[in-house]
Amino acid sequence: QVQLREWGPGVLKPSETLSLTCAVSGDSIKGPNWWTWVRQPPGKGLEWIGEMNHSGDTNYNPSLKSRVTISVDRSKNQVSLKLSSVTAADTAIYYCARVIRGGAEFFDYWGQGTQVAVSS
Amino acid sequence: QTVVTQEPSLTVSPGGTVTLTCASSSGAVTSGNYPNWFQQKPGQAPRALIYGINNTHSWTPARLSGSLLGGKAALTLSGVLPEDEADYYCLLYYGGVRVFGGGTKLTVL
Repeated sequence: QVQLREWGPGVLKPSETLSLTCAVSGDSIKGPNWWTWVRQPPGKGLEWIGEMNHSGDTNYNPSLKSRVTISVDRSKNQVSLKLSSVTAADTAIYYCARVIRGGAEFFDYWGQGTQVAVSS
Repeated sequence: QTVVTQEPSLTVSPGGTVTLTCASSSGAVTSGNYPNWFQQKPGQAPRALIYGINNTHSWTPARLSGSLLGGKAALTLSGVLPEDEADYYCLLYYGGVRVFGGGTKLTVL
């Protein structure tokens, strides 16, 4: 069974850089699948942030691209997200999920999410 | 950027049938947009339901099905149960960029 678990700082100040990690079990980061980040501001809908595979190929949401970096740590089987210059608008629950590609494009397994609050 | 539109809210009676739709501002939704549907209940992570128009996951209830309807992706729930009350999100693929719809709040009443 594939499981994903996210964690991060919980609270950070405006202009700081958010760093989140997603630990994957039950699947290898080195395999054919991609790994994605999605966020959800309080009381609002889902927003796709971006995705990456183990080779370093990435796709990003154009509206966030200038501030986002997604990376993988093959030795730890983890995926990371960095979001720079955060503001209150970046307050959200952040989820990681597995992406199946190659003739199909779908998310299947999701983490439980990690809450991030940006506050001075 | 492309906008994906869903009904903000729908209400259905227990045992009834309801169809949720997902429209793209860039034109008709096609198989190349690889529609995905997710269910989210309060305090929980989204759960994948349908992908690639009408493919289900092993955990997807048989009363749920997907289709293309009038240029939109559609999710139909038949024989609705109280536990189907939730928010439902569609996700469309645009050649490397993915866009979620705003979500539909489904009330079972």
